[in-house]
Amino acid sequence: NAGVTQTPKFQVLKTGQSMTLQCAQDMNHEYMSWYRQDPGMGLRLIHYSVGAGITDQGEVPNGYNVSRSTTEDFPLRLLSAAPSQTSVYFCASSYSSLRVVQGEYGYTFGSGTRLTVV
Amino acid sequence: SQQGEEDPQALSIQEGENATMNCSYKTSINNLQWYRQNSGRGLVHLILIRSNEREKHSGRLRVTLDTSKKSSSLLITASRAADTASYFCATDARTSYGKLTFGQGTILTVHP
Repeated sequence: NAGVTQTPKFQVLKTGQSMTLQCAQDMNHEYMSWYRQDPGMGLRLIHYSVGAGITDQGEVPNGYNVSRSTTEDFPLRLLSAAPSQTSVYFCASSYSSLRVVQGEYGYTFGSGTRLTVV
Repeated sequence: SQQGEEDPQALSIQEGENATMNCSYKTSINNLQWYRQNSGRGLVHLILIRSNEREKHSGRLRVTLDTSKKSSSLLITASRAADTASYFCATDARTSYGKLTFGQGTILTVHP
């Protein structure tokens, strides 16, 4: 089924460990983004990409790295996990804004990764 | 700080009633989008309204946009228990392609 696939769905890390959250989409979307969702905070943008090889920082980028070597994949790396990074992480993708002008496209979200750092 | 501010934070109504949620934002936008999130799930796109549009309908949903006031509203008519969810507005800023910024959301509870 077409969509955004996130793995893993659940993860527990110890403080200081590193890991990569995977995100893949098969809709040929130009835009991809990573968000974290904390209680009462809505969704906050971590990093985003408008195409392969192009990434930019969002609202809360510290402690996270991203790369976009292909259109399909946009992994999020936690460099040295901290308890403050305990959250639910969502990956999302969309056609570019220029294509949205012609259509009704919104972002497609993955089902999320629930990360706990102890 | 986040682009969108939503009001109310929580809304509780009876089945059959209408639900109205409001969103304010700060910068010029290409479009504004509304999403629904059921508990423990990912977000689902509901409707998109472009900056040159003032009103849009989709089924029981009606969205308005007032760019002079930098505000939008989402109306759900004839609410059902299945509409119980969190609703978020999100803005696609004119100066930042690919950067969709969310409000904090409205928690809607529809009682049978």
